[in-house]
Amino acid sequence: GESVGLHLPTLSVQEGDNSIINCAYSNSASDYFIWYKQESGKGPQFIIDIRSNMDKRQGQRVTVLLNKTVKHLSLQIAATQPGDSAVYFCAERSNTGKLIFGQGTTLQVKP
Amino acid sequence: DAGVTQSPTHLIKTRGQQVTLRCSPKSGHDTVSWYQQALGQGPQFIFQYYEEEERQRGNFPDRFSGHQFPNYSSELNVNALLLGDSALYLCASSLPSGNTIYFGEGSWLTVV
Repeated sequence: GESVGLHLPTLSVQEGDNSIINCAYSNSASDYFIWYKQESGKGPQFIIDIRSNMDKRQGQRVTVLLNKTVKHLSLQIAATQPGDSAVYFCAERSNTGKLIFGQGTTLQVKP
Repeated sequence: DAGVTQSPTHLIKTRGQQVTLRCSPKSGHDTVSWYQQALGQGPQFIFQYYEEEERQRGNFPDRFSGHQFPNYSSELNVNALLLGDSALYLCASSLPSGNTIYFGEGSWLTVV
């Protein structure tokens, strides 16, 4: 079935370090990818997106990298803070507009 | 500017009952999608509404139905509830040509 996969279920980092969360996708026809952050008991919060014709996009403390050759997406968070602790999902947008999510990676930030 | 709002936030229903969940999209958005998120899983697409019509549907049974109103708000109805329908139901809104898709906080449904 359709799916977007994440490489690791849990990532633990020290406060202040950089975090890298990875994602593999299967549909090479997807034209748009989004990273969401979901805190416990809340809905997914938009972080950053990238079109398939780009390799890199930067936001505030976050960078998304797209490697279409190997169908790989990553989210880099600089100077990780305790407030960054959450589950992170990558999502792939199909040409019909629906989002296909992966299982999620739990980011734990140690003080 | 209000984001996507959903109601109710939590509810408990008995097997076999019916439930209606409501969503108001972000201001200016006219496309609404519904997702089901089971505990520990990523959200799964249920269906999408635009111009008061269902545009596309995911792999969910006919017990799941929806509606979009002229003001773009939407309802999700689930009939003949099963224990497995217990999940977080998320509403997302966007512009039809827009890339950014925003989610509400969800409605937690527990079926007992």
